[in-house]
Amino acid sequence: AQTVTQSQPEMSVQEAETVTLSCTYDTSESDYYLFWYKQPPSRQMILVIRQEAYKQQNATENRFSVNFQKAAKSFSLKISDSQLGDAAMYFCAYTWGAGYGGSQGNLIFGKGTKLSVKP
Amino acid sequence: GAVVSQHPSWVICKSGTSVKIECRSLDFQATTMFWYRQFPKQSLMLMATSNEGSKATYEQGVEKDKFLINHASLTLSTLTVTSAHPEDSSFYICSARISGFPDTQYFGPGTRLTVL
Repeated sequence: AQTVTQSQPEMSVQEAETVTLSCTYDTSESDYYLFWYKQPPSRQMILVIRQEAYKQQNATENRFSVNFQKAAKSFSLKISDSQLGDAAMYFCAYTWGAGYGGSQGNLIFGKGTKLSVKP
Repeated sequence: GAVVSQHPSWVICKSGTSVKIECRSLDFQATTMFWYRQFPKQSLMLMATSNEGSKATYEQGVEKDKFLINHASLTLSTLTVTSAHPEDSSFYICSARISGFPDTQYFGPGTRLTVL
């Protein structure tokens, strides 16, 4: 079964500090994608970062970076220089796919991690 | 780019009435759209997958006659909650895939439905 597990229901970080959110997944697929989505109090789901499984290089987006450990099926999110606006629910998500024109799986979400940022 | 809108953002209706929620991809074509339901402090639960020009695929346990989905164009999908009851009160979110990047879903801002 394809599952996504976020073992940290809540995390807290001091403003300007760094925090890492954990995510593990289980799949037997070889072609898949991993995502981190942010859901602030407005409840708008915002794509933070995307990683293709076939790429060894970890994805980065400004202050956000991932540590993708394919063999361990781990996909953690590091937020550097945390800002008050980073406070939100963070969802790790997975989908499998065969690329352009191929079949595509649904998005499977973890239960989320609530991140608080202390001023 | 990759903007998805939903309308309305908030709706209150009486029990027994029907409510229609629209999901639009504003700057891209979406052959596939998704409808999710989210309960407070929980993750998103996929209700159905909407494909343009064909019938929606519903997840197990989702009543297709209660949650009618229509994907009439490449930029619009609608979810109609028929004969709504208080237990249908929830936050409904749609998402869409961009044709060139089939793996990534972009989400609308959600619709809060309250059934009295």
